Amino acid sequence: ETGVTQTPRHLVMGMTNKKSLKCEQHLGHNAMYWYKQSAKKPLELMFVYSLEERVENNSVPSRFSPECPNSSHLFLHLHTLQPEDSALYLCASSQAETRQGLAGELFFGEGSRLTVL
Amino acid sequence: AQSVTQLGSHVSVSEGALVLLRCNYSSSVPPYLFWYVQYPNQGLQLLLKYTTGATLVKGINGFEAEFKKSETSFHLTKPSAHMSDAAEYFCAVAPRGFKTIFGAGTRLFVKA
Repeated sequence: ETGVTQTPRHLVMGMTNKKSLKCEQHLGHNAMYWYKQSAKKPLELMFVYSLEERVENNSVPSRFSPECPNSSHLFLHLHTLQPEDSALYLCASSQAETRQGLAGELFFGEGSRLTVL
Repeated sequence: AQSVTQLGSHVSVSEGALVLLRCNYSSSVPPYLFWYVQYPNQGLQLLLKYTTGATLVKGINGFEAEFKKSETSFHLTKPSAHMSDAAEYFCAVAPRGFKTIFGAGTRLFVKA
């Protein structure tokens, strides 16, 4: 496999369910990201991990919980979501020069389309 | 604060016509600038980027963009549109650190 792989591609869940989104990158990068893409809104950066440490958390509700067990894998754990959380969730990776260094080009997965009923 | 403004949420051109997608940015420090493209049901992929050096940047699929510091612009062009260019295009700025700021996107329609 190459690039950035996200699973599942589509997910439908009720508000009381618990589910997880998975992202895996095969590019040897040291930074990984979760973005939320909603209709008619700019991409929203949710979380950034560099060298497996979370370096940014953009005031995301606690019902979203990220996990980065190693530099190749990133998870987004979901629980008690709201219908407004329905969106395309995009994972990306990049090679950062330092822990706080410039991200440069982002490599995106194809996204996980989440629908919350 | 950094920001990106893409003029026009939708642009429609005829096949073979010039494509021009506009992007203006604000940044307190010299930025890196990017254009990404998103085809239906896919993630974003890089079209081109400006970091330093030559201000006219060539990308994939015949696209190019010119960094104009005086105008704080980074417009995307292609001399002749193809049906396969129909997609959504995102301009982005990365002043420093990890926070790449994206514009709202411009959807390009190509008419036969």
